Amino acid sequence: GQQVMQIPQYQHVQEGEDFTTYCNSSTTLSNIQWYKQRPGGHPVFLIQLVKSGEVKKQKRLTFQFGEAKKNSSLHITATQTTDVGTYFCAGPKTTGFQKLVFGTGTRLLVSP
Amino acid sequence: GAVVSQHPSWVICKSGTSVKIECRSLDFQATTMFWYRQFPKQSLMLMATSNEGSKATYEQGVEKDKFLINHASLTLSTLTVTSAHPEDSSFYICSARVAWQRNTGELFFGEGSRLTVL
Repeated sequence: GQQVMQIPQYQHVQEGEDFTTYCNSSTTLSNIQWYKQRPGGHPVFLIQLVKSGEVKKQKRLTFQFGEAKKNSSLHITATQTTDVGTYFCAGPKTTGFQKLVFGTGTRLLVSP
Repeated sequence: GAVVSQHPSWVICKSGTSVKIECRSLDFQATTMFWYRQFPKQSLMLMATSNEGSKATYEQGVEKDKFLINHASLTLSTLTVTSAHPEDSSFYICSARVAWQRNTGELFFGEGSRLTVL
């Protein structure tokens, strides 16, 4: 079945260090979305990428969509303690494009 | 942004009882809502798609008789976990899109409902 994997599963960084999570889909995606879930909270939308090779930035966050539209990455420059949480990528299900299948997630811990 | 509200946030019940979770879109109408389940430190797994005025569609492996979904209005979907057992203990989250985003825009999530079955 359709799978969306993320690496690493977990990363612990010191405040100020950079962080990257990688997302790989078993199928080609029409678009990819990224969400952040704080501990004990619910997922919150960060961004959507649609075009092959697209790069978008939100302050310290840089998102990329691969040329083949099967992978994506999220890079955070100079992490802050407020970046703590789990980051999920998500793409449309092949069996129903309005449904989203979520990646396995990367949990980020930032120490001050 | 759009607001989705869930109730209750926490619920503890005895094994064998049923629990109802409500999901409301507060400032928009949602013809479709999505129910996810999340076990600790795991990803979100789509359980079912709730369709206003028609039957819900369930993902493979999800028992429709156990997880009853009703979408009676454009702002309310309910999930009832029937005859709950300890293995049903989980974090249940609903989500929806605003109509103008059509079918592929961002999902707005409720706060989630943490179910513990004793």
